[in-house]
Amino acid sequence: AQSVTQLDSQVPVFEEAPVELRCNYSSSVSVYLFWYVQYPNQGLQLLLKYLSGSTLVKGINGFEAEFNKSQTSFHLRKPSVHISDTAEYFCAVKAQGGSEKLVFGKGTKLTVNP
Amino acid sequence: DGGITQSPKYLFRKEGQNVTLSCEQNLNHDAMYWYRQDPGQGLRLIYYSQIVNDFQKGDIAEGYSVSREKKESFPLTVTSAQKNPTAFYLCASSIARGPNEKLFFGSGTQLSVL
Repeated sequence: AQSVTQLDSQVPVFEEAPVELRCNYSSSVSVYLFWYVQYPNQGLQLLLKYLSGSTLVKGINGFEAEFNKSQTSFHLRKPSVHISDTAEYFCAVKAQGGSEKLVFGKGTKLTVNP
Repeated sequence: DGGITQSPKYLFRKEGQNVTLSCEQNLNHDAMYWYRQDPGQGLRLIYYSQIVNDFQKGDIAEGYSVSREKKESFPLTVTSAQKNPTAFYLCASSIARGPNEKLFFGSGTQLSVL
């Protein structure tokens, strides 16, 4: 079975500062990795995903994430955040092959202050 | 516009009552999912369906039931057996299972107990 740990439940930052949201996963098999974003009172949207190839993945809204197999991590980064980035961010993992389900982390609430 | 529509946005349940949450999609997606979201707990899978007239239990199916009589519709019933139903419920769909699976989410239904 797979599991996801998002190390920070809340991350407050100032506008235009860089941010990193941390995600570690556990799995006995190879995995696909995802980041989803949830704005207040809405559903989730896919931000980016890692399937294979380059370990640096670029997503929407200027976000990127780096897959590190040795550290089993998939941290999300943005060099300069905006007020509009205030949302909850979910890391998710899915085992490769078969019809495995997506497993979500508990989420990190990012608050961008002026 | 294509998308997933969840209704109602807010729902109140009385003790011992069954309530049904609606989820409709016009994306022509085969797979549909129901997730429960509790603050600080992330998303937990209740039920999923990969094809009409077939569905499988997720991680927390007890106290819930579903049906999939039409491709577009996947209603969730919260039965009286679910003793702690207060949560935010999210419906999602995807075109196919596999590495490129991307979940599209509805805007959610907040269920509260009176």
